[in-house]
Amino acid sequence: ETGVTQSPTHLIKTRGQQVTLRCSSQSGHNTVSWYQQALGQGPQFIFQYYREEENGRGNFPPRFSGLQFPNYSSELNVNALELDDSALYLCASSLTGSRNEQFFGPGTRLTVL
Amino acid sequence: AQRVTQPEKLLSVFKGAPVELKCNYSYSGSPELFWYVQYSRQRLQLLLRHISRESIKGFTADLNKGETSFHLKKPFAQEEDSAMYYCALKLSGNTPLVFGKGTRLSVIA
Repeated sequence: ETGVTQSPTHLIKTRGQQVTLRCSSQSGHNTVSWYQQALGQGPQFIFQYYREEENGRGNFPPRFSGLQFPNYSSELNVNALELDDSALYLCASSLTGSRNEQFFGPGTRLTVL
Repeated sequence: AQRVTQPEKLLSVFKGAPVELKCNYSYSGSPELFWYVQYSRQRLQLLLRHISRESIKGFTADLNKGETSFHLKKPFAQEEDSAMYYCALKLSGNTPLVFGKGTRLSVIA
């Protein structure tokens, strides 16, 4: 059984640029959730995808968008990067209808200069 | 809105001493409560959830609805318990987790 993987591991961008982060869910999982973890904070929910549709969204602006593909992998896109977007971005996958335990990936560390 | 509060940023205890990591939540309904742990250079992983009522690695946590608390306890701390601990809440169904800010536990030999 393959766990949740994320790419890239680290990324450095400048303000105003756009970034795409990728996540491969655990085998058999159909739901992907994205979280932002700023330094010294707990993970904060961005949005969730289930069967290729957005299935819930946290308090993040529209420049944060996502996709889920038929194989349940997912992308997080952030446009017009701001300095405050610097954070660890975590992807978690789960299987709807089970105990809904979320399994986390290792994260992508984004630095915006 | 749901909120999870972990009042301690850092907790240092000696090996063999009891540990209690505090977690309080605000939600009027019946949420599910979890403790997640992140060891050095490892990913965030589930430690335990209140509905399981189980002890994992010697840790237990009891949901106190009257005090809206879900404190994590271990009678005798071990060095390998040193990690970042996050308390989290979710509503029933396919809903997201709401995390506290975390407490770093440092067990001193």
